[in-house]
Amino acid sequence: TQLLEQSPQFLSIQEGENLTVYCNSSSVFSSLQWYRQEPGEGPVLLVTVVTGGEVKKLKRLTFQFGDARKDSSLHITAAQPGDTGLYLCAGDYQTGSQGNLIFGKGTKLSVKP
Amino acid sequence: NAGVTQTPKFQVLKTGQSMTLQCAQDMNHEYMSWYRQDPGMGLRLIHYSVGAGITDQGEVPNGYNVSRSTTEDFPLRLLSAAPSQTSVYFCASSYSGTSGNEQFFGPGTRLTVL
Repeated sequence: TQLLEQSPQFLSIQEGENLTVYCNSSSVFSSLQWYRQEPGEGPVLLVTVVTGGEVKKLKRLTFQFGDARKDSSLHITAAQPGDTGLYLCAGDYQTGSQGNLIFGKGTKLSVKP
Repeated sequence: NAGVTQTPKFQVLKTGQSMTLQCAQDMNHEYMSWYRQDPGMGLRLIHYSVGAGITDQGEVPNGYNVSRSTTEDFPLRLLSAAPSQTSVYFCASSYSGTSGNEQFFGPGTRLTVL
């Protein structure tokens, strides 16, 4: 059984602080996605990383894919209350083959003003 | 485009009742999936479809049926509801692009089985 471990499970910080969320597995991914989910809504895709060592930036969010394509991190600089939500990573074990996308359990982030 | 739509948004059932959760997408995506989300468990795949007429089981398929007669619609049927099926259900559609299976999710159906 392939597993995606996310850490931390919960994170409560003050506005302006920096944070990093981790997503780890013992298996190799063909790609990895990060989603954000707000209460009462479905997850929304933030980014997809495909190449080992790849770094992508989305405003204050920086996503990194490990060189071996087994892990990923999400770093948020100067967090704002609008960043509050559930962050999910999802690993794709076989490009183009539906049913091989595995989700982590998520990191619940709360940013207090 | 409406994206992925789901109905109903909320539903309460009694044990043993059956019902169908509706899902539709207008993006002409080949792939559609059903997930359930439970506290501390993340998203778990129930069933998925790679195109009209083709369905397959995911991680937790027991107690659920699906069919895919058109590209747009992918209903999920609960045959005989049980309290263990209390959950939030998400339908998603995707295309297999060069960046993998990027999922577009509906707003979810909150189901309570008494």
